[in-house]
Amino acid sequence: QKEVEQNSGPLSVPEGAIASLNCTYSDRVSQSFFWYRQYSGKSPELIMSIYSNGDKEDGRFTAQLNKASQYVSLLIRDSQPSDSATYLCAVNPLYSGGGADGLTFGKGTHLIIQP
Amino acid sequence: DTAVSQTPKYLVTQMGNDKSIKCEQNLGHDTMYWYKQDSKKFLKIMFSYNNKELIINETVPNRFSPKSPDKAHLNLHINSLELGDSAVYFCASSPEGDTQYFGPGTRLTVL
Repeated sequence: QKEVEQNSGPLSVPEGAIASLNCTYSDRVSQSFFWYRQYSGKSPELIMSIYSNGDKEDGRFTAQLNKASQYVSLLIRDSQPSDSATYLCAVNPLYSGGGADGLTFGKGTHLIIQP
Repeated sequence: DTAVSQTPKYLVTQMGNDKSIKCEQNLGHDTMYWYKQDSKKFLKIMFSYNNKELIINETVPNRFSPKSPDKAHLNLHINSLELGDSAVYFCASSPEGDTQYFGPGTRLTVL
């Protein structure tokens, strides 16, 4: 059974600070990893994808992957009130040539940025 | 120019009824999916469909059946609706079975 674990929160962070979101996964064969942002009443929106160990930066967002520890994280620098949302971690066991099993999602972390 | 669209946005119906939700993507993707997000916001895969190959999550009741008239469409038909089917249903598509792009969702309420 593939599982993805996240702290449900809420995680409260002051505006301008760094928000750190964490995720662990159980399936060692997982090859691709995603962070989605979901505002209340809206659909999940892709923020970052990461496939290799290390850091990947995109604007204010940095994804970190450690396959040995089966750990993925998302850092949000200079947090803004508009970053307040639920952040979903997702894993896919296949990097290419399939993945038709779909993504396995964590239950999400509710992030609140305090003005 | 919506990439992944779903209709209807809201669906309210009585127990025992049969209903369908439609999904269309104009991204040219090969794989389409249906996900269910329950009241606790947990998002779970129900089906994926790729080149006429259907993969079913074994936990999905057989009252749920996806139908794909062509590569750009994957509809979800639900028979004999139950209270526990109330949820938000998301369609998604993917170019290579990896990164997935979600539709706006259909909120189903069974009374």
